[in-house]
Amino acid sequence: SAVISQKPSRDICQRGTSLTIQCQVDSQVTMMFWYRQQPGQSLTLIATANQGSEATYESGFVIDKFPISRPNLTFSTLTVSNMSPEDSSIYLCSVSAAGNQPQHFGDGTRLSIL
Amino acid sequence: DQQVKQNSPSLSVQEGRISILNCDYTNSMFDYFLWYKKYPAEGPTFLISISSIKDKNEDGRFTVFLNKSAKHLSLHIVPSQPGDSAVYFCAASAWLGTASKLTFGTGTRLQVTL
Repeated sequence: SAVISQKPSRDICQRGTSLTIQCQVDSQVTMMFWYRQQPGQSLTLIATANQGSEATYESGFVIDKFPISRPNLTFSTLTVSNMSPEDSSIYLCSVSAAGNQPQHFGDGTRLSIL
Repeated sequence: DQQVKQNSPSLSVQEGRISILNCDYTNSMFDYFLWYKKYPAEGPTFLISISSIKDKNEDGRFTVFLNKSAKHLSLHIVPSQPGDSAVYFCAASAWLGTASKLTFGTGTRLQVTL
C-alpha cells in the first residue's frame, strides 16, 4: 500500500491562529480524504479532497473553517482556521487507490489549542 | 445518529484464545465493511474487508463475518497474540458511483493477556 506522510506530527497552537497540515503520498492516488478524531471519539470525515476542484465537505464542516487544497494526485493540505480549544483533535489524511478500495491512513497530526 | 456501533468499548482475551469483536449498523445502504486496527500515536491500519455479497472473508488469523439481515458484523482473531492489543474500528461505506466515504464505529480496545 501507499506510504503516507503527514506533517507536522503534533503541534500546540494559540487560540485564534491557523495551522496547515500536509499530506504527501509516495504514489498517485485517486482519492484523498481528511478525518478528525476528537478525544475519546471515533473518526469523522471532514471532506474529500478533489484534485483540481473544490473539496467536498461533510455536514457540519465548512470551507472557511477547514480550507483544503489538492494541487496534484500525491499531495493535499488541510488548514484549521481561527482555532479554538474545541479544535483540539487528531487530524488524519487517508488515501484510496480507486473508488471502492480500502482507505489507508497517515499517522495523523495531534493538535492541541491553548 | 450513530450509524455504526461498537457496543463493547473494551475486551480482554488470553493469549492463544479467540477474540471476537462485534459491530452493528443501521444504514441499509452500506454495502462494504472494513476493520482497522489502531495503535497509540499511529494512524488506523487496514486489516480486512467484506463486501455485502459475501457472508465471510478470511485472511490468515483474521475472519470477518457479515449477517446482513441482522445488520451485524464480527471480527474473529484466532489465535490471539499480545501484538494484537490495540483499538479496533469497524467502518462501513455505501458505493456512490465515484467514491465511497467511510463511517466509523467508536472502537473496541482489545487487550491480549499472557
